[in-house]
Amino acid sequence: QQQVKQSPQSLIVQKGGIPIINCAYENTAFDYFPWYQQFPGKGPALLIAIRPDVSEKKEGRFTISFNKSAKQFSLHIMDSQPGDSATYFCAASRGSGGYNKLIFGAGTRLAVHP
Amino acid sequence: DAGVIQSPRHEVTEMGQEVTLRCKPISGHNSLFWYRQTMMRGLELLIYFNNNVPIDDSGMPEDRFSAKMPNASFSTLKIQPSEPRDSAVYFCASSLTGQPSYGYTFGSGTRLTVV
Repeated sequence: QQQVKQSPQSLIVQKGGIPIINCAYENTAFDYFPWYQQFPGKGPALLIAIRPDVSEKKEGRFTISFNKSAKQFSLHIMDSQPGDSATYFCAASRGSGGYNKLIFGAGTRLAVHP
Repeated sequence: DAGVIQSPRHEVTEMGQEVTLRCKPISGHNSLFWYRQTMMRGLELLIYFNNNVPIDDSGMPEDRFSAKMPNASFSTLKIQPSEPRDSAVYFCASSLTGQPSYGYTFGSGTRLTVV
């Protein structure tokens, strides 16, 4: 299967809170798991990505946690700010064969209130 | 680099008309993807090219949709005839095969409205 399931559909937090967005996948051949951030009127932009050989990756305030046995991964945003308000997409791809075709989750609309 | 360039940004057309969306990928990228985004279905992969060759068009919804990539710097997505249910934002993205750490670079999209 190619599906990537993402939850929740929407999320509201106060400034400084730690929103968590979860994703699950079925295809064990997936070996690359990025997160994209999309602002209104713009295309999605790569935020952070992880491979299954590590359980956690941090870049600034953004952290991916990865659980290979459960086939789940999540995005945490530390000390969230109103500027983080956007739609977040998880994705997965199988890099073998050189074709990094990405399958996206349904997206999570995050609102960070001041 | 100017990034992935899509045109037009907005297109309003009448049902039954032909619509052509255009994309210029990032120079040096050898993979190109067309996505459609709607509230109901999210981001759907329509077709992707590698080295100008269509690799997977299984996401193209109907024969009314066609895509071409005549050279490494240009691609088109055509809808003929267009229908109201084709209204969506269409994104083009490019990447360098074998370098997933750089991810996809998306254009700003074309918002298509079919009335």
